[in-house]
Amino acid sequence: DAKTTQPTSMDCAEGRAANLPCNHSTISGNEYVYWYRQIHSQGPQYIIHGLKNNETNEMASLIITEDRKSSTLILPHATLRDTAVYYCIVRVETGNQFYFGTGTSLTVIP
Amino acid sequence: ETGVTQTPRHLVMGMTNKKSLKCEQHLGHNAMYWYKQSAKKPLELMFVYSLEERVENNSVPSRFSPECPNSSHLFLHLHTLQPEDSALYLCASSQEAPGTSGSVAETQYFGPGTRLLVL
Repeated sequence: DAKTTQPTSMDCAEGRAANLPCNHSTISGNEYVYWYRQIHSQGPQYIIHGLKNNETNEMASLIITEDRKSSTLILPHATLRDTAVYYCIVRVETGNQFYFGTGTSLTVIP
Repeated sequence: ETGVTQTPRHLVMGMTNKKSLKCEQHLGHNAMYWYKQSAKKPLELMFVYSLEERVENNSVPSRFSPECPNSSHLFLHLHTLQPEDSALYLCASSQEAPGTSGSVAETQYFGPGTRLLVL
């Protein structure tokens, strides 16, 4: 049970903002939303997390809707090195684990 | 550099060999994880250790045997593997293991992985 749904793939022009959506309609009130990315054949890299408020760090911004049922990861100025699979994750309801799902494959185009 | 290291980075082994994967975290975390990632498949959680005790075992075959001697080190002992076990094996750590708190301390940091090929 992924608890999240994401588009399979997206393209973005280099230098433009990449907006990656995620639906998590069954998220519990105290659960954080995490975003990771995985560049080919490397370990997943933590990007950002949030609970209710919008968050920003040096890598990205995270916009969470008021009802918390969806969120958007924003890479403000995508570069070719941002080409990766992006995972939106919440904790699985049963058991001590996250479920990564299949993520969104983002391709940044020159 | 995430503070989680894995060795070896690449491993080729026969089905009758015994080998071990090593993971070390330099973050002072209390929880460590093994994941398996096969080609074009999602990450599969294999084992979770919290304070050196195994708290999750996702029906992993006994030919995979984890060991956590202390909170900084995690091993995955391999024997009598099958070709379908060829995959990227990833180690991760977090301040706390995922539980009911939904805490930010559950953020996981991954190592670079060991690419395993079983012949």
